[in-house]
Amino acid sequence: EIVLTQSPATLSLSPGERATLSCRASQSVNRYLAWYQQKPGQPPKVLIYEIFKRAAGVPARFSGSGSGTDFTLTISSLEPEDFAVYYCQQRGNEPSYTFGQGTKLEI
Amino acid sequence: QVQQQESGPGLVEPSQTLSLTCTVSGDSIGNSAYYWGWVRQHPGRGLEWIGYIYYTGDAFYNPSLKSRLTMSVDMSKNQFSVKLSSATVADTAVYYCATKLGTTAHFDYWGQGILVSVSS
Repeated sequence: EIVLTQSPATLSLSPGERATLSCRASQSVNRYLAWYQQKPGQPPKVLIYEIFKRAAGVPARFSGSGSGTDFTLTISSLEPEDFAVYYCQQRGNEPSYTFGQGTKLEI
Repeated sequence: QVQQQESGPGLVEPSQTLSLTCTVSGDSIGNSAYYWGWVRQHPGRGLEWIGYIYYTGDAFYNPSLKSRLTMSVDMSKNQFSVKLSSATVADTAVYYCATKLGTTAHFDYWGQGILVSVSS
């Protein structure tokens, strides 16, 4: 099973700043790497899929990049509504799916 | 737009079977575009994929849960279900319907979630 490790666990920033969230895989991942945003009391919402593709309706300030074992979610200029928990997710063979443990983005 | 709503007991006794149903609206569960699935979230923790099922009944399960899992679809009610046998305290979680399109490897549609506690 591929393990995804996210860092940092908590990221403290202010509105207007740039956020860089990391997701590292225990072995090389194909292109099926996604990012989700989860706010308290809500289900996760997909932001990015296949490493860099933005889901419908997701603002352009969210971008994804990376390859192999290292992936990054960047939020170019934080808005108040962006403070939430972010998870990365990959699809392995069989198929099987694993999530990272999450990064909490706080003000 | 697919919408999903989880339902089932909020409390299950240890060793019993945890059973949940997801009611789909906005599209037919017989639509070949979707894989109907489940993800759970342990309190204050991360997400765990449980599995998903195609309208044909073909199911794909998390290997770590496979021996205890059964999923099914009910076309007449536009619902799909999950059963997790021999429940333990470790199965206490919020359970989400989490569905993906057939050509993708992420989960596009989520229910609001239902908290299931396993306790005597």
